[in-house]
Amino acid sequence: QVQLVESGGGVVQPGGSLRLFCAASGFTFSSFGMHWVRQAPGKGLEWVATISYDGSNKYYVDSVKGRFTISRDNSKNMLYLQMNSLRAEDTAVFYCAKDKGGGVVGATNNFVFESWGQGSLVTVSS
Amino acid sequence: EIVMTQSPAALSVSPGERAALSCRASLTVNSNLAWYQQKPGQTPRLLIYGAFIRATGIPARFSGSGSGTEFTLSISSLQSEDSAVYYCQQYNDWPLTFGGGTKVEIK
Repeated sequence: QVQLVESGGGVVQPGGSLRLFCAASGFTFSSFGMHWVRQAPGKGLEWVATISYDGSNKYYVDSVKGRFTISRDNSKNMLYLQMNSLRAEDTAVFYCAKDKGGGVVGATNNFVFESWGQGSLVTVSS
Repeated sequence: EIVMTQSPAALSVSPGERAALSCRASLTVNSNLAWYQQKPGQTPRLLIYGAFIRATGIPARFSGSGSGTEFTLSISSLQSEDSAVYYCQQYNDWPLTFGGGTKVEIK
């Protein structure tokens, strides 16, 4: 079955950097769009970034544009999130999520978060 | 940005009763609407997509309806394991946005 395992979280000072990893298995990784979704402590869900199945298209929420970069390596079944210039308000559990489709604009029911990992906690604090 | 508003924020229902959770979009999202369930301490789980299509393995007591700007998640014959926070999410336009959630408590 689908398995998504995040890693790379931890405590970082404001202005610092961190790279999150998501190891995927149980499905044909190169056929599906992938996402990062975060949840601040005690708060709701917030979409962060999306990458299409082939990595050709990337989308970000405005609050992370220019600071975060989503990428993937289909040869390794890995998803990444490079986070720079971290702020206190970035503190959250970051979930890796598999799309129901290829993550292609205009395709039916793409950009639905079909499967989720267990999450990786990122704490930005001095 | 399309703002998703869920109501009520919380509700308490007796086992066996029915619950109706509302989700309203600030602009039309057509039928590009999904519902997720998040139990305490757990990861979110996809329940419904396409406004009314149940995801794989989701019990038939969960049903979705609506289109455009008004959507409802109905849970018939509530069970103790349905205690959770339920989120709606639109995927009609960028940025992808979630509602604030409805917390369902089983009495």
